[in-house]
Amino acid sequence: AQKITQTQPGMFVQEKEAVTLDCTYDTSDPSYGLFWYKQPSSGEMIFLIYQGSYDQQNATEGRYSLNFQKARKSANLVISASQLGDSAMYFCAIENNAGNMLTFGGGTRLMVKP
Amino acid sequence: KAGVTQTPRYLIKTRGQQVTLSCSPISGHRSVSWYQQTPGQGLQFLFEYFSETQRNKGNFPGRFSGRQFSNSRSEMNVSTLELGDSALYLCASSLVLAGGLGNEQFFGPGTRLTVL
Repeated sequence: AQKITQTQPGMFVQEKEAVTLDCTYDTSDPSYGLFWYKQPSSGEMIFLIYQGSYDQQNATEGRYSLNFQKARKSANLVISASQLGDSAMYFCAIENNAGNMLTFGGGTRLMVKP
Repeated sequence: KAGVTQTPRYLIKTRGQQVTLSCSPISGHRSVSWYQQTPGQGLQFLFEYFSETQRNKGNFPGRFSGRQFSNSRSEMNVSTLELGDSALYLCASSLVLAGGLGNEQFFGPGTRLTVL
C-alpha cells in the first residue's frame, strides 16, 4: 500500500517570500510518480508539478520546484516569491505503478500574508 | 479545449435515497477517476474507468458504483445514502500515456453532496 504524509496542517508565509511544503511517502513500487495539486476555496484541484521516481533532475514549473530526495522518500514543494493568490490547500499525491490511481496526503493549508 | 465538467454541482438528498453524479472528461481522455473528499477522511480514491472497464477500485462499500460510456463520459451512483456520504465528489480525467506513469489527472469542479 502507498502512503503520503504531510506534517504541516497549516502554514503562514509573507508575500514575496519562499515557502517549503513538506511531503514524505511510502511505497513498495520500484517505479512511481509524485504530484502536487493546489485546491483553492472553490474546490477544484489544480495540477502544479510532477516528479517521476527515475527522473534525474528535480522538477520545476515556473515558481514551483520539487525538492526530491529519493533515499529519504521526500518530495517537498518549494514555492518561490509567494503571492496572495497562492493561499490555498496543497496536496501531495503518489500514483500507483499502473498510473491510474492517486493516493493523497492530508494536505497543507498555506496562507500568504500581505 | 473544454475542461472536465461535473453535474450537478450541488445536491441535497435524504438518508436512504440514491444519487447519480455525472462526469464529462476532456475530449480525447479515456480514463476517468472518481475521488471522495471529506474533512475527516480527506481525499480518497473511489474507482477508475478506462474504455468502459473498471480498472481499479478503492476501499468503498458496494453502495458506491460507477460506469463509463463509449464516449468516455462517466457516472457514479451511491445507493442507500448515509449521512457519512456527505462529501465533495471529484472526477478526474487523464490521457493515458504509454508506460503507465506520469498521467496528469485533470480534475473537475466537483459535486458537493449533502445528505440530510
